[in-house]
Amino acid sequence: DVKVTQSSRYLVKRTGEKVFLECVQDMDHENMFWYRQDPGLGLRLIYFSYDVKMKEKGDIPEGYSVSREKKERFSLILESASTNQTSMYLCASNVIRTSSGRPNTDTQYFGPGTRLTVL
Amino acid sequence: LAKTTQPISMDSYEGQEVNITCSHNNIATNDYITWYQQFPSQGPRFIIQGYKTKVTNEVASLFIPADRKSSTLSLPRVSLSDTAVYYCLVVDRGSTLGRLYFGRGTQLTVWP
Repeated sequence: DVKVTQSSRYLVKRTGEKVFLECVQDMDHENMFWYRQDPGLGLRLIYFSYDVKMKEKGDIPEGYSVSREKKERFSLILESASTNQTSMYLCASNVIRTSSGRPNTDTQYFGPGTRLTVL
Repeated sequence: LAKTTQPISMDSYEGQEVNITCSHNNIATNDYITWYQQFPSQGPRFIIQGYKTKVTNEVASLFIPADRKSSTLSLPRVSLSDTAVYYCLVVDRGSTLGRLYFGRGTQLTVWP
C-alpha cells in the first residue's frame, strides 16, 4: 500500500513563527501536492511539485513556500505564520505514468493531515 | 477546467441505497469522472472513476449517461461508517501534471 506520512497531526504555533510541515511518501511518486482545507471551501491547492527541486504554484500560494530536495519528501514552509493560516493541511502524491506507460493523473494518495493552529 | 456541482449535504438511514448526483456541463473529451471519499480527520481517498456508461467496484457504482454532463455515485446499503464527504471531480487524464480540482463535496450523514 502507498503510504503518505505527515510529520505532525496537530501543531500550535504563534503569529510570526516560521513553520515547517513535512510530508514523506514511500512509493517513488514523481508528483507531490500541498492542500489546505477549510470548512465550506473544500480543498485548495497551495503548491505542487513534479520532480526534485521543481515546484509550481497552486491556487493560493501567498504566504507559503515549498522545498523538494529529495523525491520522497515535500516540505511546506510558512515563513511568518499568521492567524488566517490556521487550517488543516493535507499532503498528497501520485505517479505520472503507470507501468503500461499510460498517464495516471487521477489517483492521488493523501496523508492524514496536519491541523495547524496559529495563535 | 470543468466545474462540478453537487449537493452540499445528504442524509440517509442504514441499509438504504444512496445516490449522489454531480453535474459537469463543460466536461471535455479527455476528462474522466472521479469520486473521492473523505472521513473526518483523514485525507481523501479515491473510490471510483469512469468515462461513460457504468462502472462498479467493491465500494460503489458510477453511472454516466451518454452526454456525460452528469454522473451519479451510488452507494448500496449504506452503513454508519459511510458517513463522509464525497467529492466529484473531472480529471484530464491526458495531463501529466496530476492536478485535481476539488469542490466543496457532499456531506453524507447516515443515521441508525
